[in-house]
Amino acid sequence: GAGVSQSPSNKVTEKGKDVELRCDPISGHTALYWYRQSLGQGLEFLIYFQGNSAPDKSGLPSDRFSAERTGGSVSTLTIQRTQQEDSAVYLCASSSNRATETQYFGPGTRLLVL
Amino acid sequence: LAKTTQPISMDSYEGQEVNITCSHNNIATNDYITWYQQFPSQGPRFIIQGYKTKVTNEVASLFIPADRKSSTLSLPRVSLSDTAVYYCLGKLVRTYKYIFGTGTRLKVLA
Repeated sequence: GAGVSQSPSNKVTEKGKDVELRCDPISGHTALYWYRQSLGQGLEFLIYFQGNSAPDKSGLPSDRFSAERTGGSVSTLTIQRTQQEDSAVYLCASSSNRATETQYFGPGTRLLVL
Repeated sequence: LAKTTQPISMDSYEGQEVNITCSHNNIATNDYITWYQQFPSQGPRFIIQGYKTKVTNEVASLFIPADRKSSTLSLPRVSLSDTAVYYCLGKLVRTYKYIFGTGTRLKVLA
């Protein structure tokens, strides 16, 4: 079956513009996660969804970042008024439920803010 | 402050066993610890996960002591294709947040 897919694969934008990053989880997976990986750096947790609900949004780096999930499937990570420090790879993962917690990752979206 | 630390890098020769340890002081006691492999420009790939003691699959073993303050990934007989960065992942206690280890860059030499 299909794995986690993300779009776009690459995004170049100008400072101050808004961007939307999309994640399609594995079919039937109820949990969805967003992470960020800056160039040459480790993986930073952003947010977790169980169904359409995100119980804790404090991992988002600033109020310019928001995320939503609809229909228990697709999720969108939105960055408003992008800054150069937002340049990174944004990774999405999904898992079947909280009991197993095996997260399967997508290929990521590479965001470059000029 | 939650810390999940790993050695920055390791070198090994083909055919050797490699052990990578992750030290974590604040991982939830009721959740799995998972290890991932990451190649350049790719998302992390699942290797193995465990809850306690020892778990083995076709590619690796995972050792987790009773106090769950650390976990050790064991790769038997590594090959050149195992050259990658390896991360541990756990859920922070009493939160809905997850934390990756700092990552270990493994280089396998011929």
